[in-house]
Amino acid sequence: GAGVSQTPSNKVTEKGKYVELRCDPISGHTALYWYRQSLGQGPEFLIYFQGTGAADDSGLPNDRFFAVRPEGSVSTLKIQRTERGDSAVYLCASSAIAGPVETQYFGPGTRLLVL
Amino acid sequence: DQQVKQNSPSLSVQEGRISILNCDYTNSMFDYFLWYKKYPAEGPTFLISISSIKDKNEDGRFTVFLNKSAKHLSLHIVPSQPGDSAVYFCAASVPYGGATNKLIFGTGTLLAVQP
Repeated sequence: GAGVSQTPSNKVTEKGKYVELRCDPISGHTALYWYRQSLGQGPEFLIYFQGTGAADDSGLPNDRFFAVRPEGSVSTLKIQRTERGDSAVYLCASSAIAGPVETQYFGPGTRLLVL
Repeated sequence: DQQVKQNSPSLSVQEGRISILNCDYTNSMFDYFLWYKKYPAEGPTFLISISSIKDKNEDGRFTVFLNKSAKHLSLHIVPSQPGDSAVYFCAASVPYGGATNKLIFGTGTLLAVQP
């Protein structure tokens, strides 16, 4: 079956611009996570959705970052006034239930480069 | 502060030999530990996990050992195969409100298995 998909696969933007990154989770998965992986680092938790609501947004670095999941399926991560330090791979993961952690399935990521 | 640490950025082993990847952690509240494998341009893929109440979990060629007193875990791969060459991330989960678990990742170890 189809896995987690993310679009675009690559995004180049200029400092100060607004970007949107999309995640399509595995069909039927209710839990959705966003992580960010900077060069030489492991993935860093940003936000977790259970259904349509953000159950844990403690990893969002500041108020330039926002994510939505209006219908409980597709999620969009939005970054305003991008900065060069936002350059990273943004990973999305989904899981069927809010339970065993090994059910988190990751997408291939969106590589964001802010010039 | 880095709650999950992988102090070896890289490891090279011969095909057929054992690969041992190490991970240390600082937070005694972690309830699950996981290993993920990542190929270039792909998202992390779950490999194996261990509950904090266990000291060993085995799945085929992969075994994870947990030493809670030392706050240390290791992943053993026997025998190593060239297809095992990838970046391996150690991750830990902290329960959030009894629901799902966000993951805290280490910085990864690049394993190269030489034919």
